[in-house]
Amino acid sequence: AQKITQTQPGMFVQEKEAVTLDCTYDTSDPSYGLFWYKQPSSGEMIFLIYQGSYDQQNATEGRYSLNFQKARKSANLVISASQLGDSAMYFCAMREGRMNTGFQKLVFGTGTRLLVSP
Amino acid sequence: EAGVVQSPRYKIIEKKQPVAFWCNPISGHNTLYWYRQNLGQGPELLIRYENEEAVDDSQLPKDRFSAERLKGVDSTLKIQPAELGDSAVYLCASSLEGELAGYEQYFGPGTRLTVT
Repeated sequence: AQKITQTQPGMFVQEKEAVTLDCTYDTSDPSYGLFWYKQPSSGEMIFLIYQGSYDQQNATEGRYSLNFQKARKSANLVISASQLGDSAMYFCAMREGRMNTGFQKLVFGTGTRLLVSP
Repeated sequence: EAGVVQSPRYKIIEKKQPVAFWCNPISGHNTLYWYRQNLGQGPELLIRYENEEAVDDSQLPKDRFSAERLKGVDSTLKIQPAELGDSAVYLCASSLEGELAGYEQYFGPGTRLTVT
C-alpha cells in the first residue's frame, strides 16, 4: 500500500504568490515524522522542513510551513512569496517510529514539480 | 562544511558491463544510505550502513548489486552486470543517528546511470 501520496504531478505559481503542495500519508504507528525535500535540476535532495507526529504546532522554516492535519493524515507544504529559484521537484517523505530509537526507513512520495513564473 | 560527495555524476554503459559508484559522506556521520531514484519517482532505499555494518539491505538486488563501506567512511555501490532497467539516479545520503542526533538525511548530487 502506498504510504505517501502526492496527487499533484505539477503545479504552477506566479512569483511572489503562495502555493500549497499536497501530501497525504498512511501509517498505523502513533510515532512518525514527516519531511519535505526539494530536488532542483542539479539532482541533490535538499531538506526543507520536518514535522513530528506529536508536535503540537505546525512546523515553519522561513518561507516554508507545514500544514499538518493529523486526523486527515495530511502534511501539505506551503511556500509563501514564491521565488523563481523555488522551481524544482518537491518530495514528501515519512519515517515511522519514534525518532532516535533506531533506524526507520524514509519512504518518499512520487513528487510534485513546481514551476514558478515571473 | 563539505556535503556528501558522489562520483561520477554521470555514467553511460552498455548492458552486461559492470559499473561502480562512490560516495563520501559528511564527516562524522555514522550512517550512510544508498537510494535509487527511477524517472518520475521518489528515491527508494537500497541499503543502509551504520558505521561499517550493513543493517538494512532488504531492497538490494543481491544477484547483481553489491556494496561496501570500508572503515566506516566512504562507500562503493557496484552493479555487475548492468541491465537496461538499472538506468536511474543513484543517490547517497548520510546522517548522524543516535540519542543526540537530528533527523535530517543529507543527500549527495547523485550519479545518473544510463544503460544502453
